[in-house]
Amino acid sequence: EADIYQTPRYLVIGTGKKITLECSQTMGHDKMYWYQQDPGMELHLIHYSYGVNSTEKGDLSSESTVSRIRTEHFPLTLESARPSHTSQYLCASSTSGRELFFGEGSRLTVL
Amino acid sequence: DAKTTQPPSMDCAEGRAANLPCNHSTISGNEYVYWYRQIHSQGPQYIIHGLKNNETNEMASLIITEDRKSSTLILPHATLRDTAVYYCIAPWWDNQGGKLIFGQGTELSVKP
Repeated sequence: EADIYQTPRYLVIGTGKKITLECSQTMGHDKMYWYQQDPGMELHLIHYSYGVNSTEKGDLSSESTVSRIRTEHFPLTLESARPSHTSQYLCASSTSGRELFFGEGSRLTVL
Repeated sequence: DAKTTQPPSMDCAEGRAANLPCNHSTISGNEYVYWYRQIHSQGPQYIIHGLKNNETNEMASLIITEDRKSSTLILPHATLRDTAVYYCIAPWWDNQGGKLIFGQGTELSVKP
């Protein structure tokens, strides 16, 4: 069983608010990833990290930012949320980058 | 990443084998083929991976053609809980690591 946790699971906020989605893993994995998925649509990689102080943008452009100050923690921040940011955000971690362990996701609704 | 092509949807009768095909004609010699599945909107779950030889684990079998241009994921006795979207991925790696890009996958419906 993978030990990767995302909070909050569900969040409803108003436009313009700043939000941070938390992702933590206790497996000591170097690599961590954020994917975005709209209902019934494809998963899109938006950010990834190969280790502490390493962050890269994924294949889908996102207005969110990430940081990797500690191995176990990879938070995602939206400075000013908009309705277009409404989506599910899935965090994953890996040692090899091949077998990914996913969290349960954070469903964000921006009104 | 090598491009992979999968049928958008498939049906399978409960208890029968589900054979999910994937074409990856541009795959290079050192690229593995990975399979994941996503049940409803949960996080994807790793199933199996392979390079050249056929592979089997407790979840599924993976058959890779000799030319490596295609593969088939086999769920030997499909159950209703196997209803999910199945993704075939051939990721590209560098010396730092890699990233998995999920395509549209195949939506498998297992019917009673």
